[in-house]
Amino acid sequence: EVQLVQSGAEVKKPGESLRISCKGSGYGFTNYWIGWVRQVPGKGLEFMGIIFPGDSDTRYSPSFQGQVTISADTSINTAYLQWSSLKASDSAMYYCASSAYGSGAYLSYWGQGTLLTVSS
Amino acid sequence: DIVMTQSPDSLALSLGERATINCKSSQSVFYSDNNKNYLAWYQKKPGQPPKLLIYWASTRASGVPDRFSGTGSGTDFTLTISSLQAEDVAVYYCQQYYNSWTFGQGTKVEIK
Repeated sequence: EVQLVQSGAEVKKPGESLRISCKGSGYGFTNYWIGWVRQVPGKGLEFMGIIFPGDSDTRYSPSFQGQVTISADTSINTAYLQWSSLKASDSAMYYCASSAYGSGAYLSYWGQGTLLTVSS
Repeated sequence: DIVMTQSPDSLALSLGERATINCKSSQSVFYSDNNKNYLAWYQKKPGQPPKLLIYWASTRASGVPDRFSGTGSGTDFTLTISSLQAEDVAVYYCQQYYNSWTFGQGTKVEIK
């Protein structure tokens, strides 16, 4: 069974750094894309970026380029989304999603989401 | 980036009615080498992660009821719910994966 398990909710202050995680299981982690998607409360889904763990090919949406860093550790089948200096506007739900077992790069499986609150 | 535009932004229908959601891409997402449209549809309910409904524009994902169907090619696509059920209340998103990935703004489906 494919599972993507994300790290728990976070409450941070502006200016702090953060890394959230997404652990994949039940499929070949290095063989499929893992993407990150943001949903601000009351708003739509926003694609942030995606990584192919097998070769670390990473693509960012222009809106998020330079604002976050996506990485993966294939030794523990885990992808990461990282901020160096959080802003209040980063408060949102963050989902990871994988193209596991798909014939293309559509996102077949999703994590449960990580809620981030950034407030002073 | 390819811009995805959905219409309408919301619709309210009675149970059993047909729901039609449109999605237009700013450039073609059809790849002639494999004759495929790089277009997916997702369903998002409150408190749940998104769920893949349709990929390659018209292929239903595993376990998706056959009242959901996807059509279209090139730049114009449609998601149809043939007979709206109470459990279909959600926001629906199209997404292209032809050149990077982008979502439409979403269409909220409610029961009248």
